[in-house]
Amino acid sequence: AQSVSQHNHHVILSEAASLELGCNYSYGGTVNLFWYVQYPGQHLQLLLKYFSGDPLVKGIKGFEAEFIKSKFSFNLRKPSVQWSDTAEYFCAVRGGADGLTFGKGTHLIIQP
Amino acid sequence: NAGVTQTPKFQVLKTGQSMTLQCAQDMNHEYMSWYRQDPGMGLRLIHYSVGAGITDQGEVPNGYNVSRSTTEDFPLRLLSAAPSQTSVYFCASSYNRVTGYTFGSGTRLTVV
Repeated sequence: AQSVSQHNHHVILSEAASLELGCNYSYGGTVNLFWYVQYPGQHLQLLLKYFSGDPLVKGIKGFEAEFIKSKFSFNLRKPSVQWSDTAEYFCAVRGGADGLTFGKGTHLIIQP
Repeated sequence: NAGVTQTPKFQVLKTGQSMTLQCAQDMNHEYMSWYRQDPGMGLRLIHYSVGAGITDQGEVPNGYNVSRSTTEDFPLRLLSAAPSQTSVYFCASSYNRVTGYTFGSGTRLTVV
């Protein structure tokens, strides 16, 4: 069975700070990896995804993530966060079975 | 193009009652799935489908039934509601295994 671990459950940053959210997964085969964002009271929106090729993927709103196969990691980064980035962030993996396996999420608060 | 539509948005049930959460998509997506979201738990996969007539269990299937008679619809049935099923339920669909899932806006269910 596959699993996803997100290291930080709550992160508080000031505007313009750099962001890195950790995500590790466990699955021995080929995976597709995703980061989703959930703004307060809203449904999940896809930030970015990796399925093959360049391990550095760029998504919407200035986010990017790097897939490091040897570390089973897919960390999310943003060079300079904004107040509007306040949200819950979920890492997810799609492995052998269909459907997504999610991490427990990281609640990000950006202070103005 | 409405995307993924879930109804109802809110529902209160009494213990032991049954109900069906509706999910419909108009994007001709083969893959559909149901998740429940609980505080501190992330999203957990209940059931998924890879096409009409094909369904399978996810991580937390007990107490839920699904069927997929058409490509567009993927209803989730609660057979006998329990307070432990109080949650926010999300339906999602995707075109294939390497694309991200598109999520509906969710159904907030309370079982009293």
